[in-house]
Amino acid sequence: GQNIDQPTEMTATEGAIVQINCTYQTSGFNGLFWYQQHAGEAPTFLSYNVLDGLEEKGRFSSFLSRSKGYSYLLLKELQMKDSASYLCAVMDSNYQLIWGAGTKLIIKP
Amino acid sequence: IAGITQAPTSQILAAGRRMTLRCTQDMRHNAMYWYRQDLGLGLRLIHYSNTAGTTGKGEVPDGYSVSRANTDDFPLTLASAVPSQTSVYFCASKGTRSADTQYFGPGTRLTVL
Repeated sequence: GQNIDQPTEMTATEGAIVQINCTYQTSGFNGLFWYQQHAGEAPTFLSYNVLDGLEEKGRFSSFLSRSKGYSYLLLKELQMKDSASYLCAVMDSNYQLIWGAGTKLIIKP
Repeated sequence: IAGITQAPTSQILAAGRRMTLRCTQDMRHNAMYWYRQDLGLGLRLIHYSNTAGTTGKGEVPDGYSVSRANTDDFPLTLASAVPSQTSVYFCASKGTRSADTQYFGPGTRLTVL
């Protein structure tokens, strides 16, 4: 079966760094996406990785290791507005997205 | 219209009633999707359409139907609603490349009593 695992909830302090991990087992791989979802809102795109390595975009970076079936999202200089759920999704061999349940990130002052 | 719109924003529905959730995009995206999102679960794909005139079943299609008469519209119909269909429903669209991101509508919160 297909499976995406990520922690249910994480807590971090404003100004700090947090790493959200995602492991996956899917039928085929055509890229991994990270989305941010604030409570009561729609998911919005953060990053896309298809090759191994680190993609940096401002305060957010995303890493992929295809051989390990592993990705992480790194958030630096945390701000209160970063409190949200972070969704990991893998595009499978049918080019459909398989979604993790999301990691709820709580930022404390 | 900018992006994707969904209607209604929220709805309370009696079990057994028929309901159509509307989704319209103005980005000329070929692919469109319907997901449901429930607490503790990831987004689950209900139905999808890769291009106008074609549709496909996702992970949880039972009790739902879709149509894709044109590029812009992708309505989702619950023929006879049941309480287990209480959920938040998101419509999404995507361009043709695999790397293209899915853009989501604001969602419809549906409660079936």
